[in-house]
Amino acid sequence: SAVISQKPSRDICQRGTSLTIQCQVDSQVTMMFWYRQQPGQSLTLIATANQGSEATYESGFVIDKFPISRPNLTFSTLTVSNMSPEDSSIYLCSARLGMSYNEQFFGPGTRLTVL
Amino acid sequence: KQEVTQIPAALSVPEGENLVLNCSFTDSAIYNLQWFRQDPGKGLTSLLLIQSSQREQTSGRLNASLDKSSGRSTLYIAASQPGDSATYLCGVRGGSEKLVFGKGTKLTVNP
Repeated sequence: SAVISQKPSRDICQRGTSLTIQCQVDSQVTMMFWYRQQPGQSLTLIATANQGSEATYESGFVIDKFPISRPNLTFSTLTVSNMSPEDSSIYLCSARLGMSYNEQFFGPGTRLTVL
Repeated sequence: KQEVTQIPAALSVPEGENLVLNCSFTDSAIYNLQWFRQDPGKGLTSLLLIQSSQREQTSGRLNASLDKSSGRSTLYIAASQPGDSATYLCGVRGGSEKLVFGKGTKLTVNP
């Protein structure tokens, strides 16, 4: 299994600012992902974080708004840029150890409120 | 495009009752399916992973079944307890490697 930690756990930010969320996994993982969960909704995949290369973004999400870094096999960051109240959500980091048949794990989430 | 539906959206039961949560998906070409629980304001805790070649998986009071051909999975919870109160999410992984989620079932177990 994998234990995932995220920082910060929550934040309140002003419109127009940016926030970087950190994700640390306790073991080397092949796949890392970032999800968004808007209030009362299910999880939506933002992007797959690729080690050493640009992230792969899902439809509706762009790099300028959600830049992602993944410098190694255990760490990734997600930045929410030029925030608006519509960005208020829980952002979750997720990881999978390897093959597609492996279990996927999630971090505790970062609760973001934009005023 | 894979779509995942969970029924019911909410369920309230008395303590001790056995219950079934349902998950259906539109594309049967899947690798596996995972059941999670999410407590309010928290992340997801993995409960059971069931591979496409399997029919069911069990962990303690939980049993998940999978009927890939009909695009359905069920999560059976035996002898429910107040601590089981949470939102239960079904995630389906297909050929795109991504987990696609349903909207979840919010379970309340009343003492």
